[in-house]
Amino acid sequence: GQNIDQPTEMTATEGAIVQINCTYQTSGFNGLFWYQQHAGEAPTFLSYNVLDGLEEKGRFSSFLSRSKGYSYLLLKELQMKDSASYLCAVRDSNYQLIWGAGTKLIIKP
Amino acid sequence: ETGVTQTPRHLVMGMTNKKSLKCEQHLGHNAMYWYKQSAKKPLELMFVYNFKEQTENNSVPSRFSPECPNSSHLFLHLHTLQPEDSALYLCASSQEETSGHYEQYFGPGTRLTVT
Repeated sequence: GQNIDQPTEMTATEGAIVQINCTYQTSGFNGLFWYQQHAGEAPTFLSYNVLDGLEEKGRFSSFLSRSKGYSYLLLKELQMKDSASYLCAVRDSNYQLIWGAGTKLIIKP
Repeated sequence: ETGVTQTPRHLVMGMTNKKSLKCEQHLGHNAMYWYKQSAKKPLELMFVYNFKEQTENNSVPSRFSPECPNSSHLFLHLHTLQPEDSALYLCASSQEETSGHYEQYFGPGTRLTVT
């Protein structure tokens, strides 16, 4: 079967750095997405990786290792507004998105 | 209106009721999706429409019936639902191309409670 694993919940301090990991086992691979979802709101797109390496976008970076079936989302200079759930999703060989259950990130002052 | 809109935002219905959820996208995309989101579970893809044609139906019970009259509008018709159908129903759209990435844009969702 297809599976996406990410931690259920993480806690970090304002101003710090946090890394949210995602491992996947899917039928083929056509890209990995990270989305942010604030409570009661729609998921919003953060990043996309299809080749190995690091993609940086402001305070957020996403890394991919296809050989390891592994990605992480790195958030720097954490702000209170970063408190949200972070969803990892992989597009499989049929171009369908397989979603993880999300990581709830709690930021403390 | 911009982006993806959904109505209603909240819906409470009895198990014998019939209701419809509406989604509209203003992004010129050619694919639309219905997802079910339950607490602490992955997003469950229910239906996919590509160029108004249904291309995916992930073993969804027949009490959920989608309709896509054009590439901008998507409906989810509900009838004789069960309490376990209570969830957040999200609509999304994307521009499907043969190459490149095409992230999905989500609407705010309809919070459905079945009593």
